[in-house]
Amino acid sequence: GQQVMQIPQYQHVQEGEDFTTYCNSSTTLSNIQWYKQRPGGHPVFLIQLVKSGEVKKQKRLTFQFGEAKKNSSLHITATQTTDVGTYFCAGPEGAQKLVFGQGTRLTINP
Amino acid sequence: DAGVTQSPTHLIKTRGQQVTLRCSPISGHKSVSWYQQVLGQGPQFIFQYYEKEERGRGNFPDRFSARQFPNYSSELNVNALLLGDSALYLCASSGGQGGWDTEAFFGQGTRLTVV
Repeated sequence: GQQVMQIPQYQHVQEGEDFTTYCNSSTTLSNIQWYKQRPGGHPVFLIQLVKSGEVKKQKRLTFQFGEAKKNSSLHITATQTTDVGTYFCAGPEGAQKLVFGQGTRLTINP
Repeated sequence: DAGVTQSPTHLIKTRGQQVTLRCSPISGHKSVSWYQQVLGQGPQFIFQYYEKEERGRGNFPDRFSARQFPNYSSELNVNALLLGDSALYLCASSGGQGGWDTEAFFGQGTRLTVV
């Protein structure tokens, strides 16, 4: 079945530093979704990318979908303590399920 | 509007017991999916239901079963609990026609501990 890999697994930064997480799928994706899960919380949808090479921005967050639609990245500029959490990418496998990566856990030193 | 609601929020069960978890989707959403999230890992797909029919099943044993009711709420049942079933069980609803071209809205989850 489809596999979605994320790196790094953990990232610790100083507040104000940038952060990037990378996502790779074993198959071409129709779309890719990003979710954020705060400690003790549940995944919350951030964004969906559909087009090859698409780039979307949400304030300090920049999301990119690769040309081959098999990889994606999330970049956070000038991290803040509110950015703490685990960031997951997820891609559809067929119409039935989302396949999630194992996530990148971001911790921040204030 | 209320989001996805799950009950109970926490549960402790003994090995061999059975458990039923409940989920109410966002009003108007007809698709409900269940995920298992073990600590430190991403959510793993268990089931998807759309319009009361099972649309997909993940790699979970037959001890796991689910159903969707006419009001689109759903139950997940797990029989003969094992220690390894301890996890956060997440329910997600979406407004699409069962596909994943729209975002998933997750409930707060049920934290199941098997002792």
